[in-house]
Amino acid sequence: EDQVTQSPEALRLQEGESSSLNCSYTVSGLRGLFWYRQDPGKGPEFLFTLYSAGEEKEKERLKATLTKKESFLHITAPKPEDSATYLCAVFYYGGSQGNLIFGKGTKLSVKP
Amino acid sequence: KAGVTQTPRYLIKTRGQQVTLSCSPISGHRSVSWYQQTPGQGLQFLFEYFSETQRNKGNFPGRFSGRQFSNSRSEMNVSTLELGDSALYLCASRQTGDEQYFGPGTRLTVT
Repeated sequence: EDQVTQSPEALRLQEGESSSLNCSYTVSGLRGLFWYRQDPGKGPEFLFTLYSAGEEKEKERLKATLTKKESFLHITAPKPEDSATYLCAVFYYGGSQGNLIFGKGTKLSVKP
Repeated sequence: KAGVTQTPRYLIKTRGQQVTLSCSPISGHRSVSWYQQTPGQGLQFLFEYFSETQRNKGNFPGRFSGRQFSNSRSEMNVSTLELGDSALYLCASRQTGDEQYFGPGTRLTVT
């Protein structure tokens, strides 16, 4: 079955303490992988798209990487405003679940 | 450019009623997708519309339906509401690329 798994479910960091979030997937016919950020009561905000193994994208304190079976979202020296739920989604054609499968997210809390 | 807008933002309905949610995509975006988000299941795909045609559908019962108008605006309808339909309903639009841009969602509570 096609699925996307994110770990950990929740992560608490001190301000400045770098870490990584994981997104592993079992999907045939992968076209790409997305990372989103979601704040409470709001819709997901687009962060990155990755298409091929070895690809990396960066935005401020965030860097996303992709391998053949998983993706990582690295957070360098996080600040309290980085607190949010981070979602990854796998994009592919022809799946029974539609063309976008989301993981359940990692809830990140950054304490000052 | 204005983002994706959804109306209403909050709704309270009674079991057995029906509800219609509305979504206006980003100007120029012709594809609109709908998702249901719950704490237990996360984000689940409902359906996608492109140029007024349903292009893809997720694993939801027939009580969930949608349509898209010629101006790309979309509506989603849920009939015979059940308690389990309480969720955040999200609409996302995209242009020709793969990235989807989400609206703020409609919080539906069924009592």
